[in-house]
Amino acid sequence: QSALTQPAFVSGSPGQSITISCIGTNGDVGAHNYVSWYQQHPGRAPQLIIFEVNNRPSGIFNRFSGSKSDNTASLTISGLQAEDEADYFCASYTSRSGYVFGTGTKVTVL
Amino acid sequence: QVQLQESGPGLVRPSQTLSLTCTVSGGSVSSGRYFWNWIRQPPGKGLEWIGYIFYSGATNYNPSLKSRVTISTDASRTHFSLNLTSVTAADTAVYFCVRGASSGHFGGWFDPWGQGTLVTVSS
Repeated sequence: QSALTQPAFVSGSPGQSITISCIGTNGDVGAHNYVSWYQQHPGRAPQLIIFEVNNRPSGIFNRFSGSKSDNTASLTISGLQAEDEADYFCASYTSRSGYVFGTGTKVTVL
Repeated sequence: QVQLQESGPGLVRPSQTLSLTCTVSGGSVSSGRYFWNWIRQPPGKGLEWIGYIFYSGATNYNPSLKSRVTISTDASRTHFSLNLTSVTAADTAVYFCVRGASSGHFGGWFDPWGQGTLVTVSS
């Protein structure tokens, strides 16, 4: 099972919106709505920010939103803030091999 | 709220077995709503799902690791463990124990995560 494909780097200025893509296949991302997103600051454990494509856990700011079209899921951060600078990973369930993560995206706030 | 904490040796010799334990506080592995995972992250790299144990004791493993992995729980149901045999330097990583949840009978998401523990494979 290959990792889902994410851009290595995405950057934006404070207040701007950025979007991170997560490209899979019809065996994982395209097969169902079990796509989730995680934020990881350096030296810390990942934190869930989106589950089931577009749902936010309690306590997560509504600046974070998710979507999906065919085999590609996306995470949008609106009103970018300095504390959003982190690594972001997508993940998807796959019936053949459990779970697969994305390659990860480093977000830089300019 | 549930919290998870990994424990175990930080250094394992090549060809030996890596053994880690996750302590679950504020909850139990017996809860029928959740599945209990191990996920790892080599230094500077991405995340890799290793496997999970379900409240029933059923397990599911990453096919790439399946021949070397065992995840189990204990009688207290407040701990679950990872055994990874025949380790090499490629198994050097931060290992996280993580609770999984789903709105259905499969799929789902990972939350919360333990803080992670670095295991280095070296002679």
